[in-house]
Amino acid sequence: DADVTQTPRNRITKTGKRIMLECSQTKGHDRMYWYRQDPGLGLRLIYYSFDVKDINKGEISDGYSVSRQAQAKFSLSLESAIPNQTALYFCATSDSPRDRGPLYNEQFFGPGTRLTVL
Amino acid sequence: QKEVEQNSGPLSVPEGAIASLNCTYSDRVSQSFFWYRQYSGKSPELIMSIYSNGDKEDGRFTAQLNKASQYVSLLIRDSQPSDSATYLCAVRMEYGNKLVFGAGTILRVKS
Repeated sequence: DADVTQTPRNRITKTGKRIMLECSQTKGHDRMYWYRQDPGLGLRLIYYSFDVKDINKGEISDGYSVSRQAQAKFSLSLESAIPNQTALYFCATSDSPRDRGPLYNEQFFGPGTRLTVL
Repeated sequence: QKEVEQNSGPLSVPEGAIASLNCTYSDRVSQSFFWYRQYSGKSPELIMSIYSNGDKEDGRFTAQLNKASQYVSLLIRDSQPSDSATYLCAVRMEYGNKLVFGAGTILRVKS
């Protein structure tokens, strides 16, 4: 089955450490996204990429960086982790327009990474 | 004003009843709207998308869109305990070309 996977699924780290969260997809989608979810705040967009050469900041990009290594891979890095980056992180993918009408807006999520920064 | 607003709930309904979930949005020119279901500790799952005014039905789910009122809703008929989850409304904002999510409504279906 075409899928979105994330590694690791759980991570506990200490303040100041650099960590990387990885996302891979077999859906063949061009567009990939990183979100974080905090209780009561919903999903907030960190970064997104519409193709391998395209990287865009979302609403909460400070303290994060990303790398789009290939069409199927999109990594999120926390350069120096801090406790308020403790959250649930999701990767998502969507197709590109390609004359498919509005269907390209549909985003599909990976299983998530629960990150705790002590 | 938040870009996408939902009542946080919890909304409690008895098994077999109709659950009605509501969402309002701020961008008047938005064209694409989505409902996601999220079980506790799991990832959001797309259950409905709607692009035109009116109703769209899929099994027990009906999405309703009123662009003039900037309002989208999700009805769940014959609610089951397995429908208990958080329901996220998402709206594609024409500026910035991205989805904006509401904070979600917690639904509890009591057997």
